[in-house]
Amino acid sequence: NAGVTQTPKFQVLKTGQSMTLQCAQDMNHEYMSWYRQDPGMGLRLIHYSVGAGITDQGEVPNGYNVSRSTTEDFPLRLLSAAPSQTSVYFCASSYTLTGVPEAFFGQGTRLTVV
Amino acid sequence: KNEVEQSPQNLTAQEGEFITINCSYSVGISALHWLQQHPGGGIVSLFMLSSGKKKHGRLIATINIQEKHSSLHITASHPRDSAVYICAVGRQGAQKLVFGQGTRLTINP
Repeated sequence: NAGVTQTPKFQVLKTGQSMTLQCAQDMNHEYMSWYRQDPGMGLRLIHYSVGAGITDQGEVPNGYNVSRSTTEDFPLRLLSAAPSQTSVYFCASSYTLTGVPEAFFGQGTRLTVV
Repeated sequence: KNEVEQSPQNLTAQEGEFITINCSYSVGISALHWLQQHPGGGIVSLFMLSSGKKKHGRLIATINIQEKHSSLHITASHPRDSAVYICAVGRQGAQKLVFGQGTRLTINP
């Protein structure tokens, strides 16, 4: 199935634990990104990548790491989970077509840090 | 002030009503997206538009580049249209999306 696949769908962590949220796309998209969604706020960009080997910080990068070793995969790592990182996380990918981006989103990961 | 503002934040209507959700933005854009998010679900792209008007079924999206404004219309609304509708803009020369806060739509039978 074509699209963006995120795993896991749900996760509960204890404060201080680390984990990796997986994101994979099979559309050969150059651009991938991670967002978090919190109540009453729009989606906020955590990190993004414009191609394999290239990553950059978004609006709220602290406490998160990313890497892009392949075009398909863009994992998000929580280094030492904190309750403030309780959120719903979305991965997205897009391609460029004459400079106009079209975004495809994963199903989301609901993370609770206790 | 947010770069992307949506109104209203919440909207409740009766089945069959004509629905309008508005989005205003303050930056130069290459494209504007309307997204739909059902409770507990993922995000689905409804429209991507950079000018004019697009229609898909009962959904219509319009954009006025000069006024930096877009609207999403739903005709003959149905309870299954209940969701959060999100406006997002792609900045000119960049691939990042900037999101509005979303409009929570509830359609009562």
